Amino acid sequence: GQQVMQIPQYQHVQEGEDFTTYCNSSTTLSNIQWYKQRPGGHPVFLIQLVKSGEVKKQKRLTFQFGEAKKNSSLHITATQTTDVGTYFCAGVSDSGTYKYIFGTGTRLKVLA
Amino acid sequence: DTAVSQTPKYLVTQMGNDKSIKCEQNLGHDTMYWYKQDSKKFLKIMFSYNNKELIINETVPNRFSPKSPDKAHLNLHINSLELGDSAVYFCASSQDLVSVTTKNIQYFGAGTRLSVL
Repeated sequence: GQQVMQIPQYQHVQEGEDFTTYCNSSTTLSNIQWYKQRPGGHPVFLIQLVKSGEVKKQKRLTFQFGEAKKNSSLHITATQTTDVGTYFCAGVSDSGTYKYIFGTGTRLKVLA
Repeated sequence: DTAVSQTPKYLVTQMGNDKSIKCEQNLGHDTMYWYKQDSKKFLKIMFSYNNKELIINETVPNRFSPKSPDKAHLNLHINSLELGDSAVYFCASSQDLVSVTTKNIQYFGAGTRLSVL
């Protein structure tokens, strides 16, 4: 079945450093979403990417969808303590399976 | 007003017991989901309903039985609880069924932390 892996599993950074998490799917995706889950909280939608090679920015966050639509990345510039949490990608297979498969998540800790 | 609300927030129970978790959404969405998040934070879909109709039933033990009395509610009943059922269970909703063409933001409830002793 479809699998979505993320690396790294954990990342500790000093405040002000950059951070990137990578998402890789075993199958081609029709679109991909990113969610953030704060410690003790619930996943909250960040963005959706649909087109091959698409790049979207939200302030310090940059999201990219790979040309082959099998991978994606989230880059945070100059991390802040408020960026702490687990970042999940979630992809829909282009075979139309009516569900998002969530990636394994990357847990980010930001040290002040 | 909370968009997706789950009750209870915490559930501590003994092995072998039966328990239910309730979920309600006031967003007017057609589709609702149950996810299980284990101790490693992996988030796995269990069920999804669209307009009260079961759409997705992942490989979940039949001790788990979802019920959707109307499209705003999706409850989860668990029989004969086992230690391995301990996890956080999230309810979520989206406007429509996930498809390759639509943008379907999933709105999650705050979660129910289930501990089976």
